[in-house]
Amino acid sequence: QQQVKQSPQSLIVQKGGISIINCAYENTAFDYFPWYQQFPGKGPALLIAIRPDVSEKKEGRFTISFNKSAKQFSLHIMDSQPGDSATYFCAASLYSGYALNFGKGTSLLVTP
Amino acid sequence: DTAVSQTPKYLVTQMGNDKSIKCEQNLGHDTMYWYKQDSKKFLKIMFSYNNKELIINETVPNRFSPKSPDKAHLNLHINSLELGDSAVYFCASSRTIAGNYNEQFFGPGTRLTVL
Repeated sequence: QQQVKQSPQSLIVQKGGISIINCAYENTAFDYFPWYQQFPGKGPALLIAIRPDVSEKKEGRFTISFNKSAKQFSLHIMDSQPGDSATYFCAASLYSGYALNFGKGTSLLVTP
Repeated sequence: DTAVSQTPKYLVTQMGNDKSIKCEQNLGHDTMYWYKQDSKKFLKIMFSYNNKELIINETVPNRFSPKSPDKAHLNLHINSLELGDSAVYFCASSRTIAGNYNEQFFGPGTRLTVL
């Protein structure tokens, strides 16, 4: 059973635009929500993460918005660049040491 | 360099063979994981070890057997390989501290192809 649902499956954005990826989860016990970035042939790399006690976290051009009541969270990439072209995964987990439950991934292409 | 490393990077083998994938982390973490990424890029947990003890064992065929000789190593042995085992296998590690973020660091992956 898919515990984290992610959309869209693929996304094409022009350079300088905003990329938005959405995720929804079911288990209210989840308390850690990371986003991973994966380039072809590489392992997933942690991009940014949030705990449910805050509604937004920003790091550079990347922002997570979190809506606890709706059980949804999203990744916004501002001023998207061609170098951001990669697959993005949202995930959720229980506290430290537990497995990450991943969404199915979003393939982002930023065109010049 | 501090990192999670895996060997081999690529593994091509025949059905029915037995193979192993090795993972090492030098981050001082106490928890290690194996994830499987299928052809559609879906990442799914297989196993998790904390201080050399198995703590997660998802619904994985018993042909897959993880072994953790120490906190820095987690190997994956696969018996009687099947076509459906073809995937990319990722090792990851994290530091388990109460109240800490579950920040997991991933290795570069091992692409297994079963012919």
